[in-house]
Amino acid sequence: DIQMTQSPSSLSASVGDRVTITCRASETISSYLNWYQQKPGKAPELLMYVASSLQSGVPSRFSGSGSGTDFTLTISSLQPEDFATYYCQQSYITPYTFGQGTRLEIK
Amino acid sequence: QVQLVQSGSELKKPGASVKVSCKASGYTFTSYAMHWVRQAPGQGLEWMGWINTNTGNPTYAQGFTGRFVFSLDTSVSTANLQISSLKAEDTAVYYCARDWFLTAVSANWFDPWGQGTLVTVSS
Repeated sequence: DIQMTQSPSSLSASVGDRVTITCRASETISSYLNWYQQKPGKAPELLMYVASSLQSGVPSRFSGSGSGTDFTLTISSLQPEDFATYYCQQSYITPYTFGQGTRLEIK
Repeated sequence: QVQLVQSGSELKKPGASVKVSCKASGYTFTSYAMHWVRQAPGQGLEWMGWINTNTGNPTYAQGFTGRFVFSLDTSVSTANLQISSLKAEDTAVYYCARDWFLTAVSANWFDPWGQGTLVTVSS
């Protein structure tokens, strides 16, 4: 199975900060990488697909990049509603696997 | 709008069975596959497998064979997850999530997700 490793596992930041979350795959997955946001007690929601495509309705302060094994999710200017847990997921091959999550907290 | 609505929370005793339903609306049910994802308390997301809503053919991830069954009732646009011989470690929130496949790049992702169903297994 392809292992997905996110870093950091948790992150404290302030409103207005620029934040980057990294996701690394244990083998190449081309650009088959998706990002989800999950708020406490809620279902995950799609943010980005195919590494860098912004899902409709998602604010443009979110961006994604990468290919092969290394990927990043960047939030250009944190807003209060962005404090949540973020998961990357590879859809290159089954079993589809998720990263362990990055919890973004308010500093 | 596209929506997945799951059945309510369940409290079951060890050894019992449970059925979680996921009712789809706002799109043609049989045109999109459905995935199931588990999230144990305080833990991350774990893909359980998927079901082809056109053929009814299920695919299970390792660790979800035997006691876990995906099924459909296409007459009411509903996907079901049944878990038998429940164990304490099955306590989790179970999500259904629609597959979205983009032919141009042969890529897929999960969108939208159901609201989740908490299954608690306790004596």
